[in-house]
Amino acid sequence: EAGVTQFPSHSVIEKGQTVTLRCDPISGHDNLYWYRRVMGKEIKFLLHFVKESKQDESGMPNNRFLAERTGGTYSTLKVQPAELEDSGVYFCASSPSADRYEQYFGPGTRLTVT
Amino acid sequence: AQSVTQLGSHVSVSEGALVLLRCNYSSSVPPYLFWYVQYPNQGLQLLLKYTSAATLVKGINGFEAEFKKSETSFHLTKPSAHMSDAAEYFCAVSYTGTASKLTFGTGTRLQVTL
Repeated sequence: EAGVTQFPSHSVIEKGQTVTLRCDPISGHDNLYWYRRVMGKEIKFLLHFVKESKQDESGMPNNRFLAERTGGTYSTLKVQPAELEDSGVYFCASSPSADRYEQYFGPGTRLTVT
Repeated sequence: AQSVTQLGSHVSVSEGALVLLRCNYSSSVPPYLFWYVQYPNQGLQLLLKYTSAATLVKGINGFEAEFKKSETSFHLTKPSAHMSDAAEYFCAVSYTGTASKLTFGTGTRLQVTL
């Protein structure tokens, strides 16, 4: 069984540019989460999809961040325009409906905004 | 609001020695508690979880943790450290109920020396 995959693994962009991160959850997992770790700090929740619907987006920092989940499969997280403080590692996780607490994490995308 | 405190951002033990990583939580409702491990260049892997069953939880790779409600703690232990245990460890808490987002501690980097 393939795990959670994320693309790209690294991204370096300039302030003001746009970046789109992609997450492919484990097949059949209805729940998809985005988290972020800023350097030296804790991993913080961004948002939670159940299938294609946003269940909880209380962690989204501001309206420069836009998350979508097309057809309840893969998800994208777009940052537009990027700011320096957006740098960090963005993790995606997925879990099945039967046990939404058993979250499987991807390797993360390291975003550097210069 | 729920929160997690991990005492010690870095812990160093000798190979064969006891591993003890500390985690204290704050939650206004019965918590679900988790330990995750992140090896270099990999995603987070679930070590073990407490979801209101047995208070002593056994996980993978010889790790276990004990839920102590009176102390609001969920410390992670392993009787004998191995070089391959060197990694970063994260304690996390979640609510019971409909929300399943994780709230993480700041992480503890475990170093194992010969």
